[in-house]
Amino acid sequence: QVQLQESGPGLVKPSQTLSLTCSVSGDSISSGASYWSWIRQAAGKGLEWIGRIYTTGYTNYNPSLKTRVSISLDTSKNHFSLNLASVTAADTAVYYCASGPSSGTLDVWGQGTLVTVSS
Amino acid sequence: EIVLTQSPGTLSLSPGERATLFCRASESVSSDYLAWYQQKIGQAPRLLIYSASRRATGIPARFSGSGSETDFTLTISRLEPEDFAVYYCQQYGRSFGQGTKVEIK
Repeated sequence: QVQLQESGPGLVKPSQTLSLTCSVSGDSISSGASYWSWIRQAAGKGLEWIGRIYTTGYTNYNPSLKTRVSISLDTSKNHFSLNLASVTAADTAVYYCASGPSSGTLDVWGQGTLVTVSS
Repeated sequence: EIVLTQSPGTLSLSPGERATLFCRASESVSSDYLAWYQQKIGQAPRLLIYSASRRATGIPARFSGSGSETDFTLTISRLEPEDFAVYYCQQYGRSFGQGTKVEIK
């Protein structure tokens, strides 16, 4: 049973880079064929898909965030990470990590972590 | 980029009633790559339906999905108290619809 847990700073200053990690247990991020994804949700709003990385390292990102976002795998620590550069208050949200098979569904979700962008 | 538009925004129904939720795509979407998720307040979303019509593991039979090309539907045959939540459609690896809230009438 795969389990995911997000971690990272809860407060980030405007113009800085938001960095989050998703720790994976119950599976190896380097084995099999899986997508590892990030999704966010501003307070009272809908889900916004940020992007994903495949086991091979292939990535694809939301076009509206593409210039600022990077997702990477760390096989030594069995986790994957999100970096979002040049943040503003509009990036304040609960950030979820999720995983699923190569078909692309989001089968397993972390509990989410709130990140606030404020000086 | 394909945009998914869900309707209605809010559905007010009583337990036992049938709920029909719609997801319309701005361009044709392969039904193999259309999913529905349920999100309850304070919780992470949960996969309900994949490939437009296949129930995910552990999802009750009262949930069903259908559709093709640009028009997809999620039906809850008889609403149970735990079904009142927000529902999102998504094309795999792409953006979500804006969501439909199913609330108690």
